Amino acid sequence: EVQLVESGGGLVQPGGSLRLSCAASGFSFSIYAMNWVRQAPGKGLEWVSGLSSSGDSTYYADSMKGRFTISRDNFKNMLYLEMNSLRAEDTAIYYCAKALVLGELSSFDYWGQGTLVTVSS
Amino acid sequence: DIQMTQSPSSLSASVGDRVTITCRAGQSIRSFLNWYQQKPGRAPELLIFEASTLQSGVPSRFSGSGSGTDFTLTISSLQAEDFATYYCQQSYRSPYTFGQGTMLDIK
Repeated sequence: EVQLVESGGGLVQPGGSLRLSCAASGFSFSIYAMNWVRQAPGKGLEWVSGLSSSGDSTYYADSMKGRFTISRDNFKNMLYLEMNSLRAEDTAIYYCAKALVLGELSSFDYWGQGTLVTVSS
Repeated sequence: DIQMTQSPSSLSASVGDRVTITCRAGQSIRSFLNWYQQKPGRAPELLIFEASTLQSGVPSRFSGSGSGTDFTLTISSLQAEDFATYYCQQSYRSPYTFGQGTMLDIK
């Protein structure tokens, strides 16, 4: 059974940093691209970032470029999102999501339960 | 960025109704269009990918169609468990944008 379990969310002050983690199990993690998608309270879904299976290729939404860094450890079956210079508008539930198709990034067949990030003073 | 626009934003329907949700892309995305269902307090679930391919385990009352810029999600006979919010998402080009969502509730 595929499982994605996010952790690392919490309350952080504006300008602060946070590192999210996603523990993957139940599939061959190292051969699938992975993504982060977020959802602000009461709002819609927003794709944040994606990462190829090898970790060599990274992709970001424009508002996250330069502030967020996606990475993975294929030995530990872990996905990460390092978030810096956080703003109030980054407050959201952050989901990690597995790519549907080998070699592609952009359709998501399994999602974690999400971790809440709150940016507030 | 490719803008995705869904209509309607909300919809009231009854069990047994046939429901159609529309998604329009700001430019051609060929058939790189996915549909997700999200229930309150839950993560989204993939229903349809590549515009018309049903994800494994999804009931056959769900169907998708379209290509280029215009797409539809149809639920042929609404069941109680289908009341949820539905999102389209383009998988053609990064950033992989979502529509704003269509909230489907009970009339």
